[in-house]
Amino acid sequence: KAGVTQTPRYLIKTRGQQVTLSCSPISGHRSVSWYQQTPGQGLQFLFEYFSETQRNKGNFPGRFSGRQFSNSRSEMNVSTLELGDSALYLCASGSSGMDNEQFFGPGTRLTVL
Amino acid sequence: LAKTTQPISMDSYEGQEVNITCSHNNIATNDYITWYQQFPSQGPRFIIQGYKTKVTNEVASLFIPADRKSSTLSLPRVSLSDTAVYSCLVGLSSNTGKLIFGQGTTLQVKP
Repeated sequence: KAGVTQTPRYLIKTRGQQVTLSCSPISGHRSVSWYQQTPGQGLQFLFEYFSETQRNKGNFPGRFSGRQFSNSRSEMNVSTLELGDSALYLCASGSSGMDNEQFFGPGTRLTVL
Repeated sequence: LAKTTQPISMDSYEGQEVNITCSHNNIATNDYITWYQQFPSQGPRFIIQGYKTKVTNEVASLFIPADRKSSTLSLPRVSLSDTAVYSCLVGLSSNTGKLIFGQGTTLQVKP
C-alpha cells in the first residue's frame, strides 16, 4: 500500500506571495491533518479534514487554509507569506478507527525569502 | 488535551535497553497514550499505543501503571539508528487526527 505523498518536496517563495501544498493520503484513509514544524516551535497542529469537512483546527491565523477533495486528497494554502512561515509542512493521514495511527508524509520544505 | 512532561534528552549505548518516562498527571478517563518517533527532517512515525497495563509490539513495550499518570516507553537493545526524538502524546485514540506534540525526548545512542 502506497504511503502518504506530498508535493512539492521543496519550495522557495518570497514574502507576500501565496503557496499551495498538496497531500495524497493512504488509500482508504479519510482523515488528513496538516502540521507545521519549525526549530523553535516544534511540531504544531494546523487543521484536520475528514470527508471534505474541517473537523479540527489549531491556533494559526486565517492566512492558513485548507480543503479536502472527494478522493480525500487535501491541499493547504498559505497567503501573504511571511518569513516566519518558513518551515517543514507535514501531512498525516489516518483511518479514524479506534487505533487511529497517524501516518506522516515526507513533508514539504517551504523557504520564504 | 492532557499535558505531558518528558526528559529533554537521554544518552545510551548500543545494545542497552532504554526506558523513557512520560508524566501525564491530568490524563482523562478516555485518553490513550501514544508514542511517536521522529528523525530530523522527517515526519513522525507511530511506535506504540496503549490504555493501561502493558503493551508490546515488534519494536517497543509500553508500561502504564494503574493510576495512568505516567507511562514508560521501553526500547530493547537500541542501535545507532534509534537515535531520534521520541514524543509521548495523550488524548482520544479515535475520531481525531489532531495530535498535540510536546518537545519530546532526544535519544542519542552512542557506539
